[in-house]
Amino acid sequence: SAVISQKPSRDICQRGTSLTIQCQVDSQVTMMFWYRQQPGQSLTLIATANQGSEATYESGFVIDKFPISRPNLTFSTLTVSNMSPEDSSIYLCSVEGVIGKTQYFGPGTRLLVL
Amino acid sequence: GENVEQHPSTLSVQEGDSAVIKCTYSDSASNYFPWYKQELGKRPQLIIDIRSNVGEKKDQRIAVTLNKTAKHFSLHITETQPEDSAVYFCAASIWDTGRRALTFGSGTRLQVQP
Repeated sequence: SAVISQKPSRDICQRGTSLTIQCQVDSQVTMMFWYRQQPGQSLTLIATANQGSEATYESGFVIDKFPISRPNLTFSTLTVSNMSPEDSSIYLCSVEGVIGKTQYFGPGTRLLVL
Repeated sequence: GENVEQHPSTLSVQEGDSAVIKCTYSDSASNYFPWYKQELGKRPQLIIDIRSNVGEKKDQRIAVTLNKTAKHFSLHITETQPEDSAVYFCAASIWDTGRRALTFGSGTRLQVQP
């Protein structure tokens, strides 16, 4: 499976600021996704990061709040904008494997907003 | 959209016993059903998956069964060990179309008592 890294691994931010999370894969992948996992909860899809075009957002998530970039087949960023304490969560990127289209997750970014 | 329900939310078993976690899905078009194990502070790890063209799949102590008619699938862990203690998530997607994002169940916290 692909090796996936995320930066930063964790951060503490002040409300009203923005944080950009990076996801890097060691091989080219077709599909990349961003999920949010609130404390003690399941994973919720934020958006599908499309290479060379705008991301596809799920209901309840908007581009102004969570802008996403995907400049190539190995890299994507998620920005959490104008943060509030409710944005405190783990943000995970996932990629689709070459074989069988199985999804693998990055290590996650733990965000705490004060 | 797809909705995945998972039961039970918590499960405690004695070491050596079997554990069963059940999920139901709403979208009859879903045809890919992975199971993830998430240990505390770690990323979700794929442990087994099944596609709708098979009814059962086994991998050592882990098995998954699928009933397409009833739209439910289950994870079976035999001879449980303390290291099986974790949160388990089921998920569903339509893997052979453009939209391949996963919809997750709410998770089951499995505790294996030594």
